[in-house]
Amino acid sequence: QSALTQPASVSGSPGQSITISCIGTSSDIGGYNFVFWLQQHPGKVPKLMISDVSNRPSGVSNRFSGSKSGNTASLTISGLQAEDEADYYCTSYTRGSTWVFGGGTKLTVL
Amino acid sequence: EGQLVDSGGGLVEPGGSLRLSCVASGFPFSNAWMGWVRQAPGEGLEWVGRVKSRSDGETTDYGAPVKGRFIISRDDSKNMVYLYMNSLRTDDTGVYYCTTDRMDVWGKGTTVTVSS
Repeated sequence: QSALTQPASVSGSPGQSITISCIGTSSDIGGYNFVFWLQQHPGKVPKLMISDVSNRPSGVSNRFSGSKSGNTASLTISGLQAEDEADYYCTSYTRGSTWVFGGGTKLTVL
Repeated sequence: EGQLVDSGGGLVEPGGSLRLSCVASGFPFSNAWMGWVRQAPGEGLEWVGRVKSRSDGETTDYGAPVKGRFIISRDDSKNMVYLYMNSLRTDDTGVYYCTTDRMDVWGKGTTVTVSS
């Protein structure tokens, strides 16, 4: 199972919106609505930000939203804040009953 | 709120074995599918495997790099999940996180170093 494809880095200024893409295949993203997004600050434990493509767990800011079209999932962060600077990972359930992660995207808030 | 405390990491020589443990609290553990995710130094997250709940057969699934070498088990009487790692290789080095299969609860991670 190959890793999902994410851009290595994205950046944006405070207040702007950014979108991180996550490209998979019909055997993972395209076949299931089990796409999650995780945020990880340096040296910290990953935190679930989006589950099941577009659901926000309790306590996650509504500035974070997720979507999916075909084999590509996306995470959008609106109203960028300095605290959003972190690594973001997508993950999807797969036809093999496993999870596959993307390589991660480093978000820089300029 | 759910909590996971993972432990058992350490230094082991290539070819050696290690057992990681994880104790859960604050959520209905017996109903939860439980898994492990690892992160090599400076690298991204990698799914290791999971054990399903007893009611779902307590079956296991593993990522390709560890299949045949790692075993995940659970003890619902103790709210524990275990990761048995055998035939360890240097590329197994990293931080190992215990997590619910839906990744909404994470342990703080335990560090495994495979080196001679």
